[in-house]
Amino acid sequence: GDSVTQMEGPVTLSEEAFLTINCTYTATGYPSLFWYVQYPGEGLQLLLKATKADDKGSNKGFEATYRKETTSFHLEKGSVQVSDSAVYFCALKEPGNTGKLIFGQGTTLQVKP
Amino acid sequence: ETGVTQSPTHLIKTRGQQVTLRCSSQSGHNTVSWYQQALGQGPQFIFQYYREEENGRGNFPPRFSGLQFPNYSSELNVNALELDDSALYLCASSNRDRNTEAFFGQGTRLTVV
Repeated sequence: GDSVTQMEGPVTLSEEAFLTINCTYTATGYPSLFWYVQYPGEGLQLLLKATKADDKGSNKGFEATYRKETTSFHLEKGSVQVSDSAVYFCALKEPGNTGKLIFGQGTTLQVKP
Repeated sequence: ETGVTQSPTHLIKTRGQQVTLRCSSQSGHNTVSWYQQALGQGPQFIFQYYREEENGRGNFPPRFSGLQFPNYSSELNVNALELDDSALYLCASSNRDRNTEAFFGQGTRLTVV
């Protein structure tokens, strides 16, 4: 079945460092791809998305490009802040009516001042 | 516009008991999905309700059941609770007819002792 694999965390960075969180997927069709963020004690918030190959999603300085040839959707940010500390989830949505989301296991990011 | 709200926020139950979790969907949304997020893991799809009918189910046993009401709010019921049911239960609402993205509630933390 479809699946998502993320790099293991935790990822610890100093403020203003460059961030990359790797995400690869396995899918039989053409899914949409997402990054969600979860702050401590909260639910999931949609960070960005891409719906087809070569699309780039971006939001709040974060970017990710849908790479069909490498089945990847890596999350990047040029300069992280302490407030970016959270758990980041890569997810795919299967084509079709259900709209079921399949999530990776999550990557914890800790940004130190 | 109100967001997705879940109740209660925390709950402690004894093994073998039954529990009901509640979710109010965002205004304008007609679809509710439920996810189980075990500690340190990504959310796992339980099932989805669209216009009061179950519309897709993940790999969860029948003791996980649900309802959706005419106002599109939803309940998740779990019978014969097991220790492994301890998790954060997330509700997400969307509008399937307009193919909107899913918005998540803050979750209900269930502890089974």
